[in-house]
Amino acid sequence: AQSVSQHNHHVILSEAASLELGCNYSYGGTVNLFWYVQYPGQHLQLLLKYFSGDPLVKGIKGFEAEFIKSKFSFNLRKPSVQWSDTAEYFCAVTLSGNTGKLIFGQGTTLQVKP
Amino acid sequence: EAGVAQSPRYKIIEKRQSVAFWCNPISGHATLYWYQQILGQGPKLLIQFQNNGVVDDSQLPKDRFSAERLKGVDSTLKIQPAKLEDSAVYLCASSLGQYTGELFFGEGSRLTVL
Repeated sequence: AQSVSQHNHHVILSEAASLELGCNYSYGGTVNLFWYVQYPGQHLQLLLKYFSGDPLVKGIKGFEAEFIKSKFSFNLRKPSVQWSDTAEYFCAVTLSGNTGKLIFGQGTTLQVKP
Repeated sequence: EAGVAQSPRYKIIEKRQSVAFWCNPISGHATLYWYQQILGQGPKLLIQFQNNGVVDDSQLPKDRFSAERLKGVDSTLKIQPAKLEDSAVYLCASSLGQYTGELFFGEGSRLTVL
Protein backbone atom coordinates (compact mmCIF):
# COMPACT_ATOMS: atom_id res chain seq x y z
CA ALA A 1 0.00 0.00 0.00
CA GLN A 2 1.11 3.53 -0.69
CA SER A 3 2.56 5.34 2.31
CA VAL A 4 4.31 8.50 3.38
CA SER A 5 7.07 8.47 5.99
CA GLN A 6 8.33 11.39 8.01
CA HIS A 7 11.51 10.46 9.82
CA ASN A 8 11.57 13.14 12.46
CA HIS A 9 8.72 13.00 14.94
CA HIS A 10 9.82 15.86 17.14
CA VAL A 11 12.39 18.52 16.30
CA ILE A 12 13.61 21.24 18.64
CA LEU A 13 15.57 24.17 17.23
CA SER A 14 16.72 27.57 18.37
CA GLU A 15 15.67 30.66 16.45
CA ALA A 16 17.78 31.34 13.35
CA ALA A 17 18.77 27.68 13.02
CA SER A 18 18.23 25.97 9.69
CA LEU A 19 15.48 23.43 9.26
CA GLU A 20 15.16 20.30 7.18
CA LEU A 21 12.29 17.87 7.66
CA GLY A 22 12.45 14.58 5.83
CA CYS A 23 9.63 13.02 3.83
CA ASN A 24 9.68 9.85 1.75
CA TYR A 25 6.86 8.17 -0.10
CA SER A 26 6.40 4.68 -1.44
CA TYR A 27 4.82 4.75 -4.88
CA GLY A 28 6.43 4.07 -8.22
CA GLY A 29 4.17 6.18 -10.38
CA THR A 30 3.57 9.88 -10.82
CA VAL A 31 2.79 11.75 -7.63
CA ASN A 32 1.84 15.21 -6.53
CA LEU A 33 3.45 16.30 -3.27
CA PHE A 34 2.40 18.65 -0.50
CA TRP A 35 3.42 20.02 2.85
CA TYR A 36 0.69 21.09 5.24
CA VAL A 37 1.18 22.94 8.52
CA GLN A 38 -0.91 23.17 11.66
CA TYR A 39 -0.05 26.05 13.98
CA PRO A 40 -1.12 25.70 17.63
CA GLY A 41 -4.87 26.11 17.95
CA GLN A 42 -5.38 26.49 14.21
CA HIS A 43 -6.56 24.28 11.39
CA LEU A 44 -4.39 22.48 8.88
CA GLN A 45 -3.35 24.64 5.96
CA LEU A 46 -1.32 24.21 2.80
CA LEU A 47 2.32 25.31 2.99
CA LEU A 48 3.49 24.37 -0.51
CA LYS A 49 2.86 21.92 -3.33
CA TYR A 50 4.62 20.24 -6.23
CA PHE A 51 2.86 19.02 -9.37
CA SER A 52 5.50 19.22 -12.09
CA GLY A 53 8.35 21.35 -13.42
CA ASP A 54 11.09 22.81 -11.24
CA PRO A 55 11.67 20.29 -8.44
CA LEU A 56 12.51 23.10 -6.03
CA VAL A 57 9.27 24.71 -4.93
CA LYS A 58 8.79 27.71 -2.73
CA GLY A 59 5.93 28.18 -0.33
CA ILE A 60 4.71 30.69 2.16
CA LYS A 61 6.78 32.15 5.01
CA GLY A 62 10.15 31.34 3.43
CA PHE A 63 9.69 27.58 3.25
CA GLU A 64 10.85 25.53 0.30
CA ALA A 65 10.90 21.85 -0.61
CA GLU A 66 12.86 19.80 -3.08
CA PHE A 67 11.47 16.84 -4.97
CA ILE A 68 14.14 14.20 -5.64
CA LYS A 69 12.45 11.54 -7.74
CA SER A 70 15.29 9.02 -7.49
CA LYS A 71 15.08 9.11 -3.72
CA PHE A 72 11.27 9.27 -3.51
CA SER A 73 11.76 12.28 -1.25
CA PHE A 74 10.24 15.71 -0.75
CA ASN A 75 12.12 17.35 2.10
CA LEU A 76 11.03 20.65 3.61
CA ARG A 77 13.61 23.33 4.33
CA LYS A 78 13.91 26.79 5.78
CA PRO A 79 17.25 28.60 6.15
CA SER A 80 16.39 30.39 9.39
CA VAL A 81 13.46 29.44 11.60
CA GLN A 82 11.48 31.79 13.80
CA TRP A 83 9.59 31.15 17.01
CA SER A 84 6.36 31.56 15.02
CA ASP A 85 7.27 28.46 12.96
CA THR A 86 6.46 26.29 15.95
CA ALA A 87 3.83 23.93 14.56
CA GLU A 88 3.13 20.44 13.33
CA TYR A 89 4.16 19.72 9.75
CA PHE A 90 2.62 17.05 7.55
CA CYS A 91 3.91 15.72 4.27
CA ALA A 92 1.23 14.40 1.91
CA VAL A 93 0.92 12.85 -1.53
CA THR A 94 -1.73 12.25 -4.15
CA LEU A 95 -1.30 9.55 -6.77
CA SER A 96 -1.72 10.47 -10.39
CA GLY A 97 -4.71 8.76 -11.97
CA ASN A 98 -6.19 7.98 -8.58
CA THR A 99 -9.20 9.60 -6.96
CA GLY A 100 -7.23 12.60 -5.80
CA LYS A 101 -7.06 11.08 -2.33
CA LEU A 102 -4.50 12.85 -0.14
CA ILE A 103 -2.33 10.48 1.89
CA PHE A 104 -0.60 12.02 4.91
CA GLY A 105 2.55 11.17 6.80
CA GLN A 106 2.44 10.93 10.58
CA GLY A 107 3.65 14.48 11.09
CA THR A 108 6.64 16.23 12.65
CA THR A 109 6.28 18.53 15.61
CA LEU A 110 8.66 21.48 15.38
CA GLN A 111 9.40 23.47 18.49
CA VAL A 112 11.43 26.65 18.04
CA LYS A 113 13.00 28.11 21.15
CA PRO A 114 13.26 31.91 21.29
CA GLU B 1 -14.46 34.13 2.69
CA ALA B 2 -15.92 31.79 5.29
CA GLY B 3 -13.95 28.66 6.01
CA VAL B 4 -15.05 25.09 6.60
CA ALA B 5 -17.40 24.93 9.57
CA GLN B 6 -17.62 21.90 11.83
CA SER B 7 -19.65 21.06 14.90
CA PRO B 8 -19.53 20.08 17.63
CA ARG B 9 -15.93 20.99 18.50
CA TYR B 10 -15.81 18.51 21.36
CA LYS B 11 -17.84 15.45 22.24
CA ILE B 12 -17.49 12.92 25.05
CA ILE B 13 -19.55 9.73 24.92
CA GLU B 14 -19.60 6.27 26.43
CA LYS B 15 -18.67 3.29 24.28
CA ARG B 16 -21.59 1.82 22.35
CA GLN B 17 -23.29 5.22 22.18
CA SER B 18 -23.77 7.07 18.93
CA VAL B 19 -22.46 10.44 17.76
CA ALA B 20 -22.86 12.64 14.71
CA PHE B 21 -20.61 15.34 13.30
CA TRP B 22 -21.66 18.04 10.90
CA CYS B 23 -19.65 19.87 8.26
CA ASN B 24 -20.40 22.85 6.06
CA PRO B 25 -17.76 23.25 3.33
CA ILE B 26 -16.60 26.41 1.61
CA SER B 27 -19.23 27.62 -0.81
CA GLY B 28 -18.66 26.28 -4.31
CA HIS B 29 -16.32 23.47 -3.27
CA ALA B 30 -17.44 20.30 -4.99
CA THR B 31 -15.21 17.88 -3.12
CA LEU B 32 -15.67 17.12 0.56
CA TYR B 33 -13.53 14.88 2.75
CA TRP B 34 -13.76 13.37 6.20
CA TYR B 35 -10.47 12.47 7.84
CA GLN B 36 -9.78 10.75 11.14
CA GLN B 37 -6.72 11.89 13.07
CA ILE B 38 -5.70 9.75 16.02
CA LEU B 39 -3.28 11.33 18.49
CA GLY B 40 0.28 11.12 17.21
CA GLN B 41 -0.73 10.11 13.70
CA GLY B 42 -1.41 11.87 10.45
CA PRO B 43 -4.94 12.32 9.13
CA LYS B 44 -6.44 9.22 7.52
CA LEU B 45 -9.11 9.57 4.85
CA LEU B 46 -12.44 8.03 5.81
CA ILE B 47 -14.59 9.15 2.91
CA GLN B 48 -14.43 11.50 -0.07
CA PHE B 49 -17.45 12.98 -1.83
CA GLN B 50 -17.61 14.60 -5.22
CA ASN B 51 -20.79 16.67 -5.08
CA ASN B 52 -23.16 14.20 -3.43
CA GLY B 53 -21.54 11.03 -4.77
CA VAL B 54 -18.99 8.90 -2.94
CA VAL B 55 -15.57 8.78 -4.63
CA ASP B 56 -13.62 6.81 -2.02
CA ASP B 57 -14.82 5.14 1.16
CA SER B 58 -12.33 2.28 1.19
CA GLN B 59 -11.11 3.06 4.73
CA LEU B 60 -14.50 3.77 6.28
CA PRO B 61 -15.48 1.10 8.85
CA LYS B 62 -18.89 0.62 7.33
CA ASP B 63 -20.20 -1.57 10.12
CA ARG B 64 -20.23 1.45 12.43
CA PHE B 65 -19.48 4.59 10.41
CA SER B 66 -21.76 6.24 7.90
CA ALA B 67 -21.64 9.54 6.07
CA GLU B 68 -23.87 11.43 3.72
CA ARG B 69 -23.75 14.62 1.76
CA LEU B 70 -27.24 15.62 0.87
CA LYS B 71 -27.69 18.10 -1.98
CA GLY B 72 -23.94 18.21 -2.46
CA VAL B 73 -23.32 20.76 0.27
CA ASP B 74 -23.39 19.93 4.00
CA SER B 75 -22.25 16.56 5.25
CA THR B 76 -22.82 14.43 8.33
CA LEU B 77 -20.56 11.69 9.68
CA LYS B 78 -22.13 9.25 12.13
CA ILE B 79 -20.61 6.62 14.38
CA GLN B 80 -22.88 3.95 15.84
CA PRO B 81 -21.96 2.22 18.08
CA ALA B 82 -18.75 3.95 19.14
CA LYS B 83 -15.69 2.04 20.31
CA LEU B 84 -12.81 3.22 22.48
CA GLU B 85 -10.51 3.26 19.45
CA ASP B 86 -12.74 5.82 17.74
CA SER B 87 -11.35 8.51 20.04
CA ALA B 88 -9.80 10.96 17.60
CA VAL B 89 -10.22 14.31 15.90
CA TYR B 90 -12.55 14.16 12.92
CA LEU B 91 -11.52 16.63 10.28
CA CYS B 92 -13.70 17.86 7.49
CA ALA B 93 -12.08 19.42 4.45
CA SER B 94 -13.23 20.71 1.09
CA SER B 95 -11.62 21.57 -2.20
CA LEU B 96 -12.66 23.13 -5.48
CA GLY B 97 -11.97 19.97 -7.40
CA GLN B 98 -11.08 16.34 -6.89
CA TYR B 99 -7.46 16.55 -8.04
CA THR B 100 -6.13 19.85 -6.76
CA GLY B 101 -4.67 18.45 -3.53
CA GLU B 102 -5.32 21.84 -1.99
CA LEU B 103 -7.69 21.05 0.83
CA PHE B 104 -9.22 23.59 3.17
CA PHE B 105 -9.70 22.11 6.60
CA GLY B 106 -12.09 22.87 9.39
CA GLU B 107 -10.94 23.03 12.98
CA GLY B 108 -12.06 19.49 13.65
CA SER B 109 -14.35 17.70 16.07
CA ARG B 110 -12.57 16.03 18.96
CA LEU B 111 -14.27 12.81 20.08
CA THR B 112 -13.48 11.06 23.35
CA VAL B 113 -15.02 7.64 23.89
CA LEU B 114 -14.99 6.42 27.51
